[in-house]
Amino acid sequence: NAGVMQNPRHLVRRRGQEARLRCSPMKGHSHVYWYRQLPEEGLKFMVYLQKENIIDESGMPKERFSAEFPKEGPSILRIQQVVRGDSAAYFCASSHGGSYNEQFFGPGTRLTVL
Amino acid sequence: AQSVTQLGSHVSVSEGALVLLRCNYSSSVPPYLFWYVQYPNQGLQLLLKYTTGATLVKGINGFEAEFKKSETSFHLTKPSAHMSDAAEYFCAVSDLINDKIIFGKGTRLHILP
Repeated sequence: NAGVMQNPRHLVRRRGQEARLRCSPMKGHSHVYWYRQLPEEGLKFMVYLQKENIIDESGMPKERFSAEFPKEGPSILRIQQVVRGDSAAYFCASSHGGSYNEQFFGPGTRLTVL
Repeated sequence: AQSVTQLGSHVSVSEGALVLLRCNYSSSVPPYLFWYVQYPNQGLQLLLKYTTGATLVKGINGFEAEFKKSETSFHLTKPSAHMSDAAEYFCAVSDLINDKIIFGKGTRLHILP
């Protein structure tokens, strides 16, 4: 049973470019969460999605960031017009929901903005 | 609102010594509590969790944690440190109302030979 998959593992972008981060949840999981980890910081919640729905995006910056989890395919975190401050590790987690929704984490995508 | 405070961003212990990583939480509802470990350039791995029931929780790799409601604490311990325990450890809290997990800032554990 494959775990949560994220790709790419490392992504380098120049300021102003777009970054697309992909997350494939564990088999059978329909809930996806994105977190951001800045250097020397813990993980900060960004967004929680179920298939085709954004449930909670309270941690997502209002501009340039968007997320989707389509009916088919992986969840995508998209960052437009990246800036140096976007450099971080972005982690995806998935769960099957329910009263106790243990989240399983992927290996992360490390984004570097030059 | 929920929050987590981890005391000490860096902790050093000698190999074979007791490991104690401190975590205090704030929650207005009964919390779910977690400890995760992160090895360099890897994702997070769940060490242990408390949901309900027994307050002493045993996890993987010989770690355990005790939920103390009166102290709002969930400290992580291991009787004897091993070199392979060197990593970053995150305490986290969640609840049934929101599905997001709130993480502490992490404690980097160094093991001295």
